Amino acid sequence: ETGVTQTPRHLVMGMTNKKSLKCEQHLGHNAMYWYKQSAKKPLELMFVYNFKEQTENNSVPSRFSPECPNSSHLFLHLHTLQPEDSALYLCASSQGPSAMSPGELFFGEGSRLTVL
Amino acid sequence: GQQLNQSPQSMFIQEGEDVSMNCTSSSIFNTWLWYKQDPGEGPVLLIALYKAGELTSNGRLTAQFGITRKDSFLNISASIPSDVGIYFCAGPYNNNDMRFGAGTRLTVKP
Repeated sequence: ETGVTQTPRHLVMGMTNKKSLKCEQHLGHNAMYWYKQSAKKPLELMFVYNFKEQTENNSVPSRFSPECPNSSHLFLHLHTLQPEDSALYLCASSQGPSAMSPGELFFGEGSRLTVL
Repeated sequence: GQQLNQSPQSMFIQEGEDVSMNCTSSSIFNTWLWYKQDPGEGPVLLIALYKAGELTSNGRLTAQFGITRKDSFLNISASIPSDVGIYFCAGPYNNNDMRFGAGTRLTVKP
């Protein structure tokens, strides 16, 4: 138990569906992140929120839409995805950035997404 | 951008053996983190290093922050079956972006 909870753990969706991934952190952290993990590739940063404000959008296609209503919750809304978007989506949180680092990241267990 | 190169990509070892893996970068890092990911789970932080030359242990794990600040290694002594998983190094690209290596996949045979 890392203090970061993701739901659902598994999701299968068609290319025309709309679905959402949810992340909740119970660590009192101020920053939350979405990462994409594809097989045999480094984790790819997608979005960063600090104190509910988006501070990083790493050239992510608009079919992925993040939402951060408060410092404890983060969503990733999915719409008209492609099969190549199938991956493990990891949420993380951290205390908050220093001048040079996001700080230690604490990850959830991930949401395994399959797009048919 | 800053890339982290991890080696080896995979290791197959016998229970009880020691393990060594490393991570290098063409750029300087001011922090090195080592994570482990079990199958079906998210990465879990093992060790954090904040100072060049620093050597830190966590049980059977030992990690060092290279003097040049461009590399780090992780050693596991007397491996056990539950050490199986993927080990990632990570370092901050900026104050928003933690960069990760592609991982070292460890298999331990009983």
